[in-house]
Formats: sequence, C-alpha cells, structure tokens
Amino acid sequence: GENVEQHPSTLSVQEGDSAVIKCTYSDSASNYFPWYKQELGKGPQLIIDIRSNVGEKKDQRIAVTLNKTAKHFSLHITETQPEDSAVYFCAANNQAGTALIFGKGTTLSVSS
Amino acid sequence: DSGVTQTPKHLITATGQRVTLRCSPRSGDLSVYWYQQSLDQGLQFLIQYYNGEERAKGNILERFSAQQFPDLHSELNLSSLELGDSALYFCASSPVAVGELFFGEGSRLTVL
Repeated sequence: GENVEQHPSTLSVQEGDSAVIKCTYSDSASNYFPWYKQELGKGPQLIIDIRSNVGEKKDQRIAVTLNKTAKHFSLHITETQPEDSAVYFCAANNQAGTALIFGKGTTLSVSS
Repeated sequence: DSGVTQTPKHLITATGQRVTLRCSPRSGDLSVYWYQQSLDQGLQFLIQYYNGEERAKGNILERFSAQQFPDLHSELNLSSLELGDSALYFCASSPVAVGELFFGEGSRLTVL
C-alpha cells in the first residue's frame, strides 16, 4: 500500500528563518497531497494542499512544491513566527483515492 | 472548531475491556474516517465509511470494529484491549471523495 516518509522528525529554527519539511510517497497513482498542522491538544488542521496537476502552490508565508517524477513534495514556511511551532504532517491519498496516508510528522520549534 | 465532535475526550480502562468511541461528523459530510495516533507511529488510518457503507480499510486490528449509522454518526468499538492500544483516536469527516479532512479533537484512550 501507499507509504509516506517525512523528514526531519524535529526541526528547530530562529524566528524569521525559513523552515522546510520534505516528504516522499510510494504510490505513483497518488494525486492529492495535503499538509496538516497539529497544535497541542487539538486535531490536525489543513494548512495547504496541492494536486498532481500543479507544481507549486503558495498561501502567504507557506508554499508547497511537488515533483511527481521523483515522488516527493515539500512544505516551505518563510519568516517563521513562534505561533508556527506545532507538529506538521504531510499526506498522500491512497491508491483507491479513498483515504489519506500520513507521514510520521515533524515537530517544528520556532524560538524568538 | 472543525465541526466534528468526538466523545469521550478521555477514557481510562483496563486490559481486556471493551470501549466505544463516538463521532459526529460535520453537518452534510457523508464520509467518516478513523485514525489512531500514537507517539511513534504518527497518524495511522484505520477505516473509512461513506453514507453508512464501509469504503476502505487500513491497519485496523480484528479486535476493532466500526460502523456508521443512518444519521451519519460513527462509532469505533475496541475490544480485548491491550496496553498497546493506548493512543489518541481521531475521527475526521469530509464532504468529498478526495479532499480536505476535518478532524475532531480526538479521544484519548489509556489502557492500564
């Protein structure tokens, strides 16, 4: 079945720096790649997503890039702020397109 | 607030027992998903229902079962509980087949 690998598992940056989280997926049939942010004590929340017909998508300080040939996609956060500190998960839809398979998460810490 | 309601928020029980977790999806969402989140495994997909029918199965143990009722709420039943079943169980709902999942705040299960 689909497998999603996510790196790094932890990431510490200074406020104002950029943060990059990378994911690879195994199933070439996957066509939907969302990123979720999970704050302490809460459920994951979608922050940005990209579909396979698009190479890059931006929303203010966050952007996602997709390389279908290499089967990897990345989350870029610029001008990080302390409130960006959270666990970030990447995901890809499974072969049947019926469920999202998640990476193991990246704990991002932004220090001021 | 995602609009997805999960109960109970916390549950402590003993090995060998059985528990039921309940989820009410967002109004109008026909799809319900169950995920298990443990410290070292990230978000593991368990099962998906669409309008009362099982649509996809992930890494769900035979001791676990779920169903979706005519009013679209869903229940996850966990039986013969083991210590390793201690985890956060999330329910998510979605209005479309491949798109954003809206997560509840989870049910934290502790098996002693």
